[in-house]
Amino acid sequence: GAVVSQHPSRVICKSGTSVKIECRSLDFQATTMFWYRQFPKKSLMLMATSNEGSKATYEQGVEKDKFLINHASLTLSTLTVTSAHPEDSSFYICSARARGSPLHFGNGTRLTVT
Amino acid sequence: GENVEQHPSTLSVQEGDSAVIKCTYSDSASNYFPWYKQELGKRPQLIIDIRSNVGEKKDQRIAVTLNKTAKHFSLHITETQPEDSAVYFCAATSNQAGTALIFGKGTTLSVSS
Repeated sequence: GAVVSQHPSRVICKSGTSVKIECRSLDFQATTMFWYRQFPKKSLMLMATSNEGSKATYEQGVEKDKFLINHASLTLSTLTVTSAHPEDSSFYICSARARGSPLHFGNGTRLTVT
Repeated sequence: GENVEQHPSTLSVQEGDSAVIKCTYSDSASNYFPWYKQELGKRPQLIIDIRSNVGEKKDQRIAVTLNKTAKHFSLHITETQPEDSAVYFCAATSNQAGTALIFGKGTTLSVSS
């Protein structure tokens, strides 16, 4: 079945640094991937839609210059949290869908900014 | 855009009882409605889904119903067990390319033995 791999699973970084999170579709091509953010005990909030070969589409309230998304190939999308601050600490989850299949999630990345 | 409302936010039942979680959606173009179970610190797991051309779907102890006219859908868990305790999310989306899943706020289900 379709598998989505996300890396790293956990990362701790200092304020002001940048962190890159990778999302790969392992056995299918994903022209579109989605990035979600989840705060503790909260729902998954859509951050942006990552489109292969073009700019990402960001949801209202999500800073595109802070959360850089690159979808350079049909199997890889990356989310870079730039100049991270403690309030960026959260659980970030990517997802992708093969044609005609349900959405598949990566395992998520727990980001802690100290 | 789509907006999904989910109720209740918390639900406590005794083992063996049934649990029902309800969701409403706003976008009439939505035609795919999955339900996810999420355990602490883990990714959401798809447990059942339904498409708009079907009114009900059942998989062992889990069933989902859809009322397209009223734009609401529900998750039914029968004979609940302690391992059913988790956070459940409903979601909605359409078949349009590049359309994301929009999630409800989640329901924390606690099943006590």
